[in-house]
Amino acid sequence: AQSVAQPEDQVNVAEGNPLTVKCTYSVSGNPYLFWYVQYPNRGLQFLLKYITGDNLVKGSYGFEAEFNKSQTSFHLKKPSALVSDSALYFCATRRGGRRALTFGSGTRLQVQP
Amino acid sequence: NAGVTQTPKFQVLKTGQSMTLQCAQDMNHEYMSWYRQDPGMGLRLIHYSVGAGITDQGEVPNGYNVSRSTTEDFPLRLLSAAPSQTSVYFCASSPHETGAYGYTFGSGTRLTVV
Repeated sequence: AQSVAQPEDQVNVAEGNPLTVKCTYSVSGNPYLFWYVQYPNRGLQFLLKYITGDNLVKGSYGFEAEFNKSQTSFHLKKPSALVSDSALYFCATRRGGRRALTFGSGTRLQVQP
Repeated sequence: NAGVTQTPKFQVLKTGQSMTLQCAQDMNHEYMSWYRQDPGMGLRLIHYSVGAGITDQGEVPNGYNVSRSTTEDFPLRLLSAAPSQTSVYFCASSPHETGAYGYTFGSGTRLTVV
């Protein structure tokens, strides 16, 4: 079955420091991988995706993600964290049969001033 | 503004009651889906639709019904509410079923069943 895992429930980082939110995947065939962000009391917002091509994908709000096939990872990164980046982040991939996304359990990012 | 509109935002139901969660999108997206979000469990797919008149079950369909009579609307019906259905429900739409163009989510319906 297609799945993603987010090993950290919470990540804490100081403002201005680089941040990484981890995601590993288990997918047969070519993976479609996504990152979404959820701010309090809001729906999820699309950040970026990897379908094919360059392993480094750039997305919204200065975020980027690196696709690593050998480590089956798709970690989300940002060079300099902002307090406003504090939110819940979800990694996702296509379900088997392609007709939906399956999401990880989410990682809460806390950026301290 | 274009997007996905969910109503109501909050709802309290008694066990055994039925209700319909509404979802409408004005982006002419063929694909729509319903997820529920529970703490520590991410989002779980309830039902989805790849076009008007076509629906299918997701991971956790029991206790829920859907229909898709128009491209714009995708209501979720709770047949007989149970406390286990207390959750936040999100509707999402996409131009394509693979999600390759990203999903647009509604702002959610917070449902409590007492």
